Amino acid sequence: KNQVEQSPQSLIILEGKNCTLQCNYTVSPFSNLRWYKQDTGRGPVSLTIMTFSENTKSNGRYTATLDADTKQSSLHITASQLSDSASYICVVSAFTGGFKTIFGAGTRLFVKA
Amino acid sequence: DVKVTQSSRYLVKRTGEKVFLECVQDMDHENMFWYRQDPGLGLRLIYFSYDVKMKEKGDIPEGYSVSREKKERFSLILESASTNQTSMYLCASSLRRGSTDTQYFGPGTRLTVL
Repeated sequence: KNQVEQSPQSLIILEGKNCTLQCNYTVSPFSNLRWYKQDTGRGPVSLTIMTFSENTKSNGRYTATLDADTKQSSLHITASQLSDSASYICVVSAFTGGFKTIFGAGTRLFVKA
Repeated sequence: DVKVTQSSRYLVKRTGEKVFLECVQDMDHENMFWYRQDPGLGLRLIYFSYDVKMKEKGDIPEGYSVSREKKERFSLILESASTNQTSMYLCASSLRRGSTDTQYFGPGTRLTVL
């Protein structure tokens, strides 16, 4: 069964600290993996996209990694800011005759001053 | 910038009412999607469309229907709203048919069915 699991469910960190969010997936055959950021009351916005051959992708203070062998991805946030408070959603796409996109439940990040 | 707009941010309806949720995108995208988002669950696909007048069922189509009469507009219809349809509804669009292009989301409609 195609699944995407994220951990932790929620996380509280102090402003300025770093954090890492995890994503494990069982989606096959793998096409690509995206991380989205969803601010409260808004729709998700894409942060990064990685294909099978890519193992690192950065977008400012956000760095995503992918290990296609172990089917794991992480999102590392450096020097967190209050505006990083949001849900972060891991999304994996597969090609199963047609393209299918599976969303993780998300990690809720709270950055405190 | 791609812009996806949804007709309402908040809606309150009564059980049994017919509910229309409208979504419009302004970037000539082929694909449009309707999802619902519930706490602790990932986004779940209700219906999607890859062309005008075309629609495909997603993972949870029961109790919903859709309409795409124009390329830029995709409507979600709850024929007879029920309390278990209380949820956040998100519309999205992406560029090319048959691809996994980035999906661009609207701000969402929070629907409460009493």
